[in-house]
Amino acid sequence: EAGVVQSPRYKIIEKKQPVAFWCNPISGHNTLYWYLQNLGQGPELLIRYENEEAVDDSQLPKDRFSAERLKGVDSTLKIQPAELGDSAVYLCASSLDQGSREQYFGPGTRLTVT
Amino acid sequence: AQTVTQSQPEMSVQEAETVTLSCTYDTSESDYYLFWYKQPPSRQMILVIRQEAYKQQNATENRFSVNFQKAAKSFSLKISDSQLGDAAMYFCASEGAQKLVFGQGTRLTINP
Repeated sequence: EAGVVQSPRYKIIEKKQPVAFWCNPISGHNTLYWYLQNLGQGPELLIRYENEEAVDDSQLPKDRFSAERLKGVDSTLKIQPAELGDSAVYLCASSLDQGSREQYFGPGTRLTVT
Repeated sequence: AQTVTQSQPEMSVQEAETVTLSCTYDTSESDYYLFWYKQPPSRQMILVIRQEAYKQQNATENRFSVNFQKAAKSFSLKISDSQLGDAAMYFCASEGAQKLVFGQGTRLTINP
């Protein structure tokens, strides 16, 4: 069974440029999460989707971050414009449904903003 | 609200020895789970072990076991017979109300 797929694995951009990350969850998993992981710290939730609905986006900085999961399967997280402080690893995770307690993580996208 | 605290930024152990990683948590949820995740360098987060808070028996997965002290809100991870492949960042996490909250992590080094 394929795991959570993320692309790209690495991205280097200049500040003020836009950037997008893509995630494909495990097949059949209805719940999808985006996390931000700063260097040396634990992941922090940005947004949670149940199918195509964003049910928890309270920690998403909406002035520059946006996300979508149009068909309830894969998802895109966008930053526009990027700032130096956005340099981090962006993790995607999925779980079977909102009643599932275990989350399965992708390899992450390491973003460097110069 | 949930908080998770890992007070050991780094730990090291000799290969084949036993090491214990500490974690304390706080939660207002009555229904919650606790997890230990492993994150090797530049690799993805892997679930090591989970504990349902309503269960008194400590979870065990092969060489990994936990000491769950609910009243003290403590959840430590013991790794027996440490192997070189155990070297990684270990994160303790609390899950409640569909929200997973992580600690700051402990970097574990295995000395050959």
